[in-house]
Amino acid sequence: EAGVTQSPTHLIKTRGQQATLRCSPISGHTSVYWYQQALGLGLQFLLWYDEGEERNRGNFPPRFSGRQFPNYSSELNVNALELEDSALYLCASTPRWGAGVNEQFFGPGTRLTVL
Amino acid sequence: AQRVTQPEKLLSVFKGAPVELKCNYSYSGSPELFWYVQYSRQRLQLLLRHISRESIKGFTADLNKGETSFHLKKPFAQEEDSAMYYCALSLNSGAGSYQLTFGKGTKLSVIP
Repeated sequence: EAGVTQSPTHLIKTRGQQATLRCSPISGHTSVYWYQQALGLGLQFLLWYDEGEERNRGNFPPRFSGRQFPNYSSELNVNALELEDSALYLCASTPRWGAGVNEQFFGPGTRLTVL
Repeated sequence: AQRVTQPEKLLSVFKGAPVELKCNYSYSGSPELFWYVQYSRQRLQLLLRHISRESIKGFTADLNKGETSFHLKKPFAQEEDSAMYYCALSLNSGAGSYQLTFGKGTKLSVIP
């Protein structure tokens, strides 16, 4: 079974630009979670998508946004990039219902560097 | 708001010695607790969860609600246990969201 995939592996942008990160969940999983792992801050919850809708978001400004497509893949967009957005962005997926709903499977991450 | 604390950034033990990775949480309700592990050059993966009460790779963790702790233990450390360990908490924060709140992680180094 293929795991969660993310692209690109690395992304380098400059301040003020926009970044788009992509995530494909495990087949059969409908929920996608995004986390930011910034140096010194640990893993922080960003966004949760399910069935194409944003269901919950963490304590991040509105310039962090995204969407989920009909095939349940997801995109994270970060607008007006700031230096402190440099981090590893992790995506995780779960089924929406059932016994595995509370077990998140993580992708390898996208390393975003803002210069 | 919920919080997870892992007091040790780095823990070094000798091979064969017991290991205990500490985790404390703050939440007034009944959360679900997890331990995730990240081996070198691998993705974050679930090690164990408190509701399953199982032993994975020799590791166990018991939820102590009185002390709000979920420490990870192994009686005899192996070199392959060297990794980054994260304690995480999940709660149903409305609309069925199971987002995780993570501690900052403990790097375990097992010395041969």
